[in-house]
Amino acid sequence: QKEVEQNSGPLSVPEGAIASLNCTYSDRGSQSFFWYRQYSGKSPELIMSIYSNGDKEDGRFTAQLNKASQYVSLLIRDSQPSDSATYLCAESNAGGTSYGKLTFGQGTILTVHP
Amino acid sequence: NAGVTQTPKFQVLKTGQSMTLQCAQDMNHNSMYWYRQDPGMGLRLIYYSASEGTTDKGEVPNGYNVSRLNKREFSLRLESAAPSQTSVYFCATYPRRGWTNEKLFFGSGTQLSVL
Repeated sequence: QKEVEQNSGPLSVPEGAIASLNCTYSDRGSQSFFWYRQYSGKSPELIMSIYSNGDKEDGRFTAQLNKASQYVSLLIRDSQPSDSATYLCAESNAGGTSYGKLTFGQGTILTVHP
Repeated sequence: NAGVTQTPKFQVLKTGQSMTLQCAQDMNHNSMYWYRQDPGMGLRLIYYSASEGTTDKGEVPNGYNVSRLNKREFSLRLESAAPSQTSVYFCATYPRRGWTNEKLFFGSGTQLSVL
């Protein structure tokens, strides 16, 4: 049974700070990793994907992947109140069959307070 | 261009009743998925259809059946609803089988309560 574990929340940071979200996974065959953001009562939306070891930056977001340690993280710089949401880590090892077949973590609730 | 449309948005059932959740997409995507989301448990895959004419079980298929009616529509049926099926159900699509660097497109969800 594949598992994706996220750091327990909720996480509260002040506006302008760096929010750090962490995730570990159990399946060494996992190839693709994703961070989805979900506002309360809404559907998830993809904010970052990462496939190779190292860092990937997109605006205020940086995803980090370490396959040897089976660890994925998301850093949010200059956090804004609008970043307050649940962040879901997900992985896929579906290869060429179905990349939409994801295993999700339980989510971390982030609150950014002014 | 509606994207992924789920109906109904809310539903209350009694134990033992049956119902079908409908999902339709107008994006010409090949793959379609049904996930459920319970508090503190993230999303779990129920069933998926990698392409028209195929369906496969996901992580939690017991108590559910699916039909890929055509490329646009993928329905989820509860034959005899149980309180454990109280959840938020999301339909999602994926553009192209075998392609990376894409993303899941989610519908707005169906909140189902089984009493």
